[in-house]
Amino acid sequence: AQRVTQPEKLLSVFKGAPVELKCNYSYSGSPELFWYVQYSRQRLQLLLRHISRESIKGFTADLNKGETSFHLKKPFAQEEDSAMYYCALGLTGGGNKLTFGTGTQLKVEL
Amino acid sequence: NAGVTQTPKFQVLKTGQSMTLQCAQDMNHEYMSWYRQDPGMGLRLIHYSVGAGITDQGEVPNGYNVSRSTTEDFPLRLLSAAPSQTSVYFCASSYSGASSYNSPLHFGNGTRLTVT
Repeated sequence: AQRVTQPEKLLSVFKGAPVELKCNYSYSGSPELFWYVQYSRQRLQLLLRHISRESIKGFTADLNKGETSFHLKKPFAQEEDSAMYYCALGLTGGGNKLTFGTGTQLKVEL
Repeated sequence: NAGVTQTPKFQVLKTGQSMTLQCAQDMNHEYMSWYRQDPGMGLRLIHYSVGAGITDQGEVPNGYNVSRSTTEDFPLRLLSAAPSQTSVYFCASSYSGASSYNSPLHFGNGTRLTVT
């Protein structure tokens, strides 16, 4: 069965420092990977997806099939980046049945 | 455009009671789903629907029923609540689940359920 691992429950960085939120997956098929974010008092929302290959709010993520990883990166953290981040895996062929990781709380300190 | 609306926001039940969590979306999405979130665990899929009249089980369906009589609504029913069903429940919708790619999910604000 597929699995998503986010090893850090909490990641604390200073404003302006680089950020890397780790995500590893286990899946025998061709995966689709997503990052979802939940800001304080807001609903869970899509941040980015690997097939779009885009940068959202300065964040990027590259799918590394060799290392089965999809780490989320940002060169310079901002205070407004503080949130809960979830990595999610979609199965080959679509279907929208995502498997989520346990999430990483990012705290950006001044 | 309200997106995905869940009611209630909070609910306390006693063991054995039944209730329905409501979910409605106004985006004409074909796909709707229910997840539960427990401490230390990721969101886990309970049930999903790819269109009106069609539902299927997810990873953790036991103790829950769903129906999809309209495109807009996807209620989740707890027939006999148990303490193990204490959780935060999220409803999500997206464009067609029949696509060859996974569409982005749009989430509701969640329902926090406590079963005593």
